[in-house]
Formats: sequence, C-alpha cells, structure tokens
Amino acid sequence: SQTIHQWPATLVQPVGSPLSLECTVEGTSNPNLYWYRQAAGRGLQLLFYSVGIGQISSEVPQNLSASRPQDRQFILSSKKLLLSDSGFYLCAWRGGTADPSGNTIYFGEGSWLTVV
Amino acid sequence: AQSVTQLDSHVSVSEGTPVLLRCNYSSSYSPSLFWYVQHPNKGLQLLLKYTSAATLVKGINGFEAEFKKSETSFHLTKPSAHMSDAAEYFCVARYGNKLVFGAGTILRVKS
Repeated sequence: SQTIHQWPATLVQPVGSPLSLECTVEGTSNPNLYWYRQAAGRGLQLLFYSVGIGQISSEVPQNLSASRPQDRQFILSSKKLLLSDSGFYLCAWRGGTADPSGNTIYFGEGSWLTVV
Repeated sequence: AQSVTQLDSHVSVSEGTPVLLRCNYSSSYSPSLFWYVQHPNKGLQLLLKYTSAATLVKGINGFEAEFKKSETSFHLTKPSAHMSDAAEYFCVARYGNKLVFGAGTILRVKS
C-alpha cells in the first residue's frame, strides 16, 4: 500500500534561519508531488508541484524553493525564513496516469512551522 | 483560469440540523472533485471524491455531495450535524496535474 511521510511534524525556527521539510512517498512510482501551505486564518495555498525528478513548478513567488532529487522525495527549503513563513505545510501526492489511484490525492500529516 | 470558490467562509448550524457547504468550480471541462476536512491541529482527511461516475457521491461520516455540471457546483451536505463535525472543509478540484483548493469553510456546530 502507498504511504506518505512528512517531517518534521513541528518546528520553531528563528527569523533568518534555513528551513528544510522533507516528504517521501512509498508504494508507488512517478507520483505527482505537491507542497501546500495554510497560513493562520487562510485556506490552503499551492506552493509547488512536481511531475517528475528535477521538474518543479512554482505557483507563488516567495523565498521558498522545492527540489525533487529522487522520484519519491520532495523537499521544501528556504535559505532565510521570514515571520510570514509561519504556517502549516502539507505535502501531497497523486498517482501518475498509469496508477489506478490517479484520481486520489494523499496528504501527509503536515508540518507546523513557527518562525520567531 | 482554473479556480474553486467556496461561497461561505463560515457556516454555523445547530446540532441535528442539516449542513450545506457550497462549492463552485470553473473550467471548460469537468475536473475530478474532492471534499476534505481538517480538524484543528490535524492533517487533511478525505471525505469523498467525484470522478465522473455517479453524480451523487456518498462519503464518510454521513456526508454526501452532488455534482451538477450545469451549475458547475459540488455542494457538500449532511442531513443532521453532529458536534464532531465542527472543522474546516476544503473543496478541491484536480485539473490535469494541478490541484486547486477552495479557500475553506469553517463549520461551527452549536449545541
């Protein structure tokens, strides 16, 4: 069965420090991968999505970046965090077109980031 | 542009009364549609999904949604609200490789 792991679950980081959130998917190959953010009092916002290794599309310009070094690994990074980066970050995946689960989106448990 | 509009940012109902959370999508074709629920400090949980089969979709916890192409709507309903239904609900559309979220509707259930 397919599973998704996202970590760390919570972290508190000072302004200006770097960030690395990692997401890995098991049990499938060539998934579409996504990073979302939910800021306090707001809905979910798509940050990045990837349809393959090294292929990253950015939806919103910001000081965050994403990388996909392996087929089932998706990393969200920042070189210098801002206070406004605080929020709830969700990794998600969807099976590729050849995957029977292609119509279902799976989410990680999320990462709570507080920038102080 | 592809977008999902949840018409109400907050909905308040009394326990035991019906729930209606509204969602409209925009597209030149019918996307796959989903409803998710997020309880405080929890991850997202799938309630139900529509993938061009039956237009009335039944989900978990007594929720259901009806796809109406003529109205480009996918409203979420439940006959009788329970206190445990209090949460934030997201309508999501998949357009090809992209997932588009509505802004969310916070459901409050009064005793």
